Order: sequence, then C-alpha cells, then structure tokens
Amino acid sequence: AQSVTQPDIHITVSEGASLELRCNYSYGATPYLFWYVQSPGQGLQLLLKYFSGDTLVQGIKGFEAEFKRSQSSFNLRKPSVHWSDAAEYFCAVGAENSGNTPLVFGKGTRLSVIA
Amino acid sequence: DGGITQSPKYLFRKEGQNVTLSCEQNLNHDAMYWYRQDPGQGLRLIYYSQIVNDFQKGDIAEGYSVSREKKESFPLTVTSAQKNPTAFYLCASSISAGANVLTFGAGSRLTVL
Repeated sequence: AQSVTQPDIHITVSEGASLELRCNYSYGATPYLFWYVQSPGQGLQLLLKYFSGDTLVQGIKGFEAEFKRSQSSFNLRKPSVHWSDAAEYFCAVGAENSGNTPLVFGKGTRLSVIA
Repeated sequence: DGGITQSPKYLFRKEGQNVTLSCEQNLNHDAMYWYRQDPGQGLRLIYYSQIVNDFQKGDIAEGYSVSREKKESFPLTVTSAQKNPTAFYLCASSISAGANVLTFGAGSRLTVL
C-alpha cells in the first residue's frame, strides 16, 4: 500500500530564510506527487504537482519541489520565506496506474515564521 | 468562479443527534471525497464517490453515511454511532477518481456538546 511520511511535525524559520519541507513516499508504481497548503480553518490549496518529466517542478507562491526517485522523496523548497507562508503543508501521493484509488496524504508539517 | 461550497462553516450538536454536512460543487467533477481532520492526524478519508449513485468507504467510514444522488452534491451525515465526531471536515472533488488534483472546500467544523 502507498504511504507518505512527513518527518517534521513543526518547523520554525526566520522571515527571509530558506525553507525545505521533507516528504518521503512508499509506492511500487510510478508516483504522482502533490504538495498542498492549508491556512488555519481553511481548505487545502494545491501548491504544485509532479506527474512526469522534469523532476524539478515550480509551483505557486514561489515554491518548488524536486522528485528524487532514488530517495523516494519529493521535498518542497522556497528560497526566501515570507510571514504569509506560515501554514500547514501536506504532501500527497497517488500512482499512474492506481485505478480509482484516492490520494494518500501525509500528516502534515506546520510552518511557523518568525521576524 | 467554479468551486466547492461546504455548509455550515460551524455546527454544534448534542450527543445522540445526527447531523448532515453539505458539499456542493460546480466544477463538473465526477469524483467527490470527504475527509476528517484532527490535530496531528493529517487527512483521513471517510467516503468517496466516483460517480453518481456510487460511493465507497474510506479508512474511517464507521459512524458516517453519504449519498450521491446528483453529480454536484455529496452530503455527509455524522450519525450518533460516531463516538468522537468533533473534528474539521473537508470535502473535495476531482475530475475523475484516482491520482488527480483535488479541489477542496473551506471545511466545516463540527463540535459535539
């Protein structure tokens, strides 16, 4: 069965510092990978997705993620964090030939930004 | 603009009562989903529907029921059999079932008094 691990429950970074949120997945087939962001009390918004092709994908709000098959990882990065980036971030995985199997989500990483 | 509307945003319920959460989408998506969110637990799938008049149990379906009589609507009923119903509930949809982009509603927070 597919699974997603986000090792960091909570991360605090200074405004203007770089950010990397980790995501590791376990799945035998070709993965489809997603990052979502959630502000408090709100729904989730898609940041970026990887289906195939270039392993470095660009998303909204200046985020990017890199798919590394050898490490089963899809880490999210941002070169300079803004206070408005404080939120919870979820990684999710599906598979190319999964039929109708829904995405599996990680448990999330909460990002705090300090001045 | 197309999107997903969940209502109500906040709901309070007494123990032993059933409550129904509404989810409506105008995206013309075939698949719809209900997730439950608790602090530190991430998103857990309750039910999903691939097409009208069809739905499947997710990981935590006990104590919940759904219907899918129209493509646009996928209401969730939290029954009195759900032992710990206080949570944040999220509805989502995708163009088809499987590994596709999900569009989420803003969520409904249910509190049992």
